[in-house]
Amino acid sequence: DIQMTQSPSSLSASVGDRVTITCRASQSIGRYLNWYQQKPGQAPKLLIYAASSLQTDVPSRFSGAGSGTDFILTISSLQPGDFVFYYCQQSYTIPRTFGQGTRVEIK
Amino acid sequence: EVQLVESGGGLVQPGGSLRLSCAASGFTFSNYWMSWVRQAPGKGLEWVANIKPDGSEKYYVDSVKGRFTISRDNAKNSLHLQMNSLRAEDTAVYYCARSYGGNSGYWYFDLWGRGTLVTVSA
Repeated sequence: DIQMTQSPSSLSASVGDRVTITCRASQSIGRYLNWYQQKPGQAPKLLIYAASSLQTDVPSRFSGAGSGTDFILTISSLQPGDFVFYYCQQSYTIPRTFGQGTRVEIK
Repeated sequence: EVQLVESGGGLVQPGGSLRLSCAASGFTFSNYWMSWVRQAPGKGLEWVANIKPDGSEKYYVDSVKGRFTISRDNAKNSLHLQMNSLRAEDTAVYYCARSYGGNSGYWYFDLWGRGTLVTVSA
């Protein structure tokens, strides 16, 4: 199975800050990497697919980059609703696997 | 409205069984791969199983192989997960999710239900 490792596990930031979250795959997965946002008590929501494609209706402050084994999610200017959890997920092979998650907290 | 609605969760004893359902509406259900994804309390996401649009292919995470069975009824726009020999570690919110790959082949979960809680405890 492909292991997905996110870093950091949590981070503290302020409204307006630029933050990056890293996701590393245990083997090359090309660009088969997706990012999800999850708010407490809600289902995950797709933000980025194919490493860098922005899902419809997702604000442009979210962006993704990377290929192979190393990927990043960038939020260019944190907004109040962005202080939640983020997960990466590989779709290169079965079983689909997720990173352990990153919690973005208000400083 | 395009949506997925799960049902069937509840409290079950270890070794027991439960059948989850997911009702799809607002889209052509029979065109999509579908998955179950779970999340243990306070933990991350874990993909459980998926099924091809015509039901001819099914895949499972190792920890549920031989115990869980995914199925679908395209005539009723419904997805199911039969869970047998349940263990405490199966306790989680179970989400139904639609997979989309389009022409690019880059698959992702683009539609999720709100989930149903399964608690395995004596």
